[in-house]
Formats: sequence, structure tokens, C-alpha cells
Amino acid sequence: KAGVTQTPRYLIKTRGQQVTLSCSPISGHRSVSWYQQTPGQGLQFLFEYFSETQRNKGNFPGRFSGRQFSNSRSEMNVSTLELGDSALYLCASSPPAAGGYNEQFFGPGTRLTVL
Amino acid sequence: AQSVTQLDSHVSVSEGTPVLLRCNYSSSYSPSLFWYVQHPNKGLQLLLKYTSAATLVKGINGFEAEFKKSETSFHLTKPSAHMSDAAEYFCVVRLRSGATNKLIFGTGTLLAVQP
Repeated sequence: KAGVTQTPRYLIKTRGQQVTLSCSPISGHRSVSWYQQTPGQGLQFLFEYFSETQRNKGNFPGRFSGRQFSNSRSEMNVSTLELGDSALYLCASSPPAAGGYNEQFFGPGTRLTVL
Repeated sequence: AQSVTQLDSHVSVSEGTPVLLRCNYSSSYSPSLFWYVQHPNKGLQLLLKYTSAATLVKGINGFEAEFKKSETSFHLTKPSAHMSDAAEYFCVVRLRSGATNKLIFGTGTLLAVQP
């Protein structure tokens, strides 16, 4: 099975711009989560989608948003970029399991640099 | 609230010697605990998981971890370090509040392996 894929792998933007990142989960996985990784804050949960519905959201401003499509692919969008948004953005998907929860499989990430 | 604390930010061992990476957890419920590894410029890879079955969990690449409820610990060990084990290791707990796959990450332990 192919793993979680994320596009693009690297991105450079300037302050004030917006950006859209894409994640394709492992086939059959319906839960997709997004995380932000920075040297200062470590790994922080952004949001989780399950069957096209946002199931949980982290403590990030409204500039960070996401969605999930019927094929389970997910996108996250960051508007009005700030320097502090520079980070590695990781996407993870989970297989169906009893209770709906299981380990997460991570993609390679998208490295966003804001200048 | 659920959380994990990784007691060492850096650990250095010699090749062929044992590895011990320490993690304590805080949880009101029986936790789901994981160890993930991140090699430089790569995504996160699941090493092992504890989900209330056996307290000694074996993972990939010779790693294992023991869940000790009395000590609220989930330390990661390996009998003999290899150069390829040099990476950052994250102890992780899954949030058990509502329907979610949200993961809470420790701050990470950077493992260096000396020849």
C-alpha cells in the first residue's frame, strides 16, 4: 500500500499570502489529522477530519482551516501568513478500528517557509 | 488532562550499548501510548504502541517499551544501539475525550549514537 502523501514537499511564501497544503491518506483510511512542528513549540495538533467532518480542533487561530473530501483526501489552508507560521506541517491518517481510533501513519510533511 | 513528559532532551550512547529513553505520562484513564521516531528531514514512524493489552510491548528495529502503571512510565529501551538509531524520539498519548484521534506529543528526545 502506498503511504500518506503530502504535496507540495517544500513551499516558500511571503507574509500576508495564503497557502493550501494537500494530504492523501492511505487507501481505506477515513481519519486525517494535521500537526504543526516547530523547534520552539514542538508538535502541535491542528485538526482532525473523519468522513468529511471536523472531529476535533487544536488551539490555533481561525487563519488555519481545513477540509476533507469524499475520497478522504484533505487540505489545510493558512491565510494571511505570518513569519511564525514557518514550520513542518505533518498529515497523518488512521485505519478503521473498533471504536474508530487507531495508530496514525504520518506523511513526510510539507516544509513551509514564510519570508 | 492527559500529557506526557520526556525526561531527557538529549541522550548519547555508544554503538552496541543499551538505549533507555524515559517517558512519564499523566492520564485519568487507561492511556493509549505510542513511541514515534523521526529521522532528519523525514516524517514520523511508529515504533510501537500500548493499548492495555500486554504491558511489555515489542516494536520495530529491536525496540520495546514497558507500561508501568504504578510508576506512570512508558520507557523505551533497546539492548544494543546501532548508528542508524540516531534520530529524535517522541512519546505520545492519545487524547481520550470524545470522538477523536488527537495525539499529544512529548517534547522529544534526541538520540545520538557514537561509533
